[in-house]
Amino acid sequence: DARVTQTPRHKVTEMGQEVTMRCQPILGHNTVFWYRQTMMQGLELLAYFRNRAPLDDSGMPKDRFSAEMPDATLATLKIQPSEPRDSAVYFCASGSTGMREPQHFGDGTRLSIL
Amino acid sequence: AQKITQTQPGMFVQEKEAVTLDCTYDTSDPSYGLFWYKQPSSGEMIFLIYQGSYDQQNATEGRYSLNFQKARKSANLVISASQLGDSAMYFCAMREEDFGNEKLTFGTGTRLTIIP
Repeated sequence: DARVTQTPRHKVTEMGQEVTMRCQPILGHNTVFWYRQTMMQGLELLAYFRNRAPLDDSGMPKDRFSAEMPDATLATLKIQPSEPRDSAVYFCASGSTGMREPQHFGDGTRLSIL
Repeated sequence: AQKITQTQPGMFVQEKEAVTLDCTYDTSDPSYGLFWYKQPSSGEMIFLIYQGSYDQQNATEGRYSLNFQKARKSANLVISASQLGDSAMYFCAMREEDFGNEKLTFGTGTRLTIIP
């Protein structure tokens, strides 16, 4: 089965450091989503792309977060500088346009900022 | 107002019994889709089942079915013959068909525990 691949699976770093999370969407999918999951806020959409173009990043703190798709096989989410409140699980998901098409999630990156 | 409401934070169900997880939604868009996802303790999000607002029949996928009541704006997930492996968080999500909108809005989830 095709899967969304996220790296790294776990990341522990000190506050102030840059964090880069990577995502390889399922081949042929043209939409990519970044979510953050915390106990307090649940699942929040941070950003999404269609055909590599950013469509919505209103959920993302603009001053420190950035999301890009340098090519169709790679999406990145960067945090610079990181803060302890950024500790969360970050999911990437990919899908196809079409109302019935589900988003397929990667296994997530568990991020801890000390 | 919450777009997706899951009122059951946690449920305990005896193995082999059927279980219904509640989901109500709020939208003025006549065209929308409802999705259910399962998140086991290992953390991954697994797509289970989809129901479209114009679908004539309730969706079914193996032991999963959707009790879709459009007038009441509810889309409850029914799991038949529950198994220990069904213990997980379950999320209801909605996509509204604004032009070009593929975003999902998720509920807060229900933690289901199956008791042997």
